[in-house]
Amino acid sequence: QVQLQESGPGLVKPSQTLSLTCTVSGGSFNSDLYFWSWIRQPAGKGLEWLGRISNGGSTTYNPSLKGRLTLSKDTSKNQFSLILSSVTAADTAVYYCARVVGGPGPGYFDPWGQGTLVTVSS
Amino acid sequence: QSALTQPASVSGSPGQSITISCTGTSGDVGAFDLVSWFQQHPGKAPKLMIYQGSKRPSGVSDRFSGSRSGYTASLTISGLQTEDEADYYCCSYTGGVPYVFGTGTKVTVL
Repeated sequence: QVQLQESGPGLVKPSQTLSLTCTVSGGSFNSDLYFWSWIRQPAGKGLEWLGRISNGGSTTYNPSLKGRLTLSKDTSKNQFSLILSSVTAADTAVYYCARVVGGPGPGYFDPWGQGTLVTVSS
Repeated sequence: QSALTQPASVSGSPGQSITISCTGTSGDVGAFDLVSWFQQHPGKAPKLMIYQGSKRPSGVSDRFSGSRSGYTASLTISGLQTEDEADYYCCSYTGGVPYVFGTGTKVTVL
């Protein structure tokens, strides 16, 4: 079955750029049936949807991130990536990648990666 | 887009049934019967329990059921078991953002 795994630095300095990659295994990465999303969760808090990218590379972002987020995908490596610029302590969270079942319309997140903790600190 | 409103905590004894509510607006829960529900144990990734309002993924116990009335979606856990103790989150498609999560509910099995 499909599995997702996040990777990237666990510590980022304030004002710098956070970069994470999600590697997808087990098939379906090149299917038009799915989008691919990033979701984060600060310690002890709830989930926040960040953005999604389609098989064709079209993206949708959460406006709350105010233009700081960029998603991309590398089909040859079965990976999609997140770049978040000008980070602050408020961006400290566990970051999850997830498959979106249902394409561009109403979909749902399944499965999820195990999550990776990113701390923003000098 | 504001988070959907869930009770902070719900508790029940083993074997009992509990219901977790998820209240939104005409722009999300009220517009789309497409709420999904996730279970999250401490230190673990969320797990899909209900999708499209009331559908269960393969492998999820039929003790979990979903419904909606107006602007409020609900997750019912019947025959409560100790392993059901976890945090639960709802999520709605909004057509705008396009996804918004609930504030989360901690379920305690007494």
